[in-house]
Amino acid sequence: SQQGEEDPQALSIQEGENATMNCSYKTSINNLQWYRQNSGRGLVHLILIRSNEREKHSGRLRVTLDTSKKSSSLLITASRAADTASYFCATDVSGNTGKLIFGQGTTLQVKP
Amino acid sequence: ETGVTQSPTHLIKTRGQQVTLRCSSQSGHNTVSWYQQALGQGPQFIFQYYREEENGRGNFPPRFSGLQFPNYSSELNVNALELDDSALYLCASSLGTVRTGELFFGEGSRLTVL
Repeated sequence: SQQGEEDPQALSIQEGENATMNCSYKTSINNLQWYRQNSGRGLVHLILIRSNEREKHSGRLRVTLDTSKKSSSLLITASRAADTASYFCATDVSGNTGKLIFGQGTTLQVKP
Repeated sequence: ETGVTQSPTHLIKTRGQQVTLRCSSQSGHNTVSWYQQALGQGPQFIFQYYREEENGRGNFPPRFSGLQFPNYSSELNVNALELDDSALYLCASSLGTVRTGELFFGEGSRLTVL
């Protein structure tokens, strides 16, 4: 079963604009992670935020976590055409690194 | 490049056949997790191997089985293939099971069942 629901399912923006993706989940978590996937290939880890953290930055990425609302957001600033990909949130509910529950993903298209 | 390699990259099977997919984990990683990703969906956890033992299983039937070898590489076996088994199969390696951290994914094996 899918724990996470992502919104929107698809997003199309112009290069240079910011992209915001949201993720909601159902049960308590140890951490929440965001992954990127290019066109049906392997997933690449972007950022991890622990349940006791509220905000985290990595380069052009900003992630927020609101455990009271069971939601997270991923902001990509100054987007580039190379950011075109699917983005997935994944929650660690068991404390086991390998047992992540993924959402259905947001497909981002950045137009040059 | 994550250092995780999977083979084969693509394969086609017919219903009822059996398939074996292989994964070499990143150097130093002793844990391999397998995921199934149907088209347009997020990955779903199949099972995990830690130090050659199965360490947790998702909601998949027993015809999905696996192995981990002393060098920590791993195999996923699926018997009696069904059409719904068509998917991208991803393996991911990590160091240990309780340390919170990222997973390193391979590029996947795309299985088509006809």
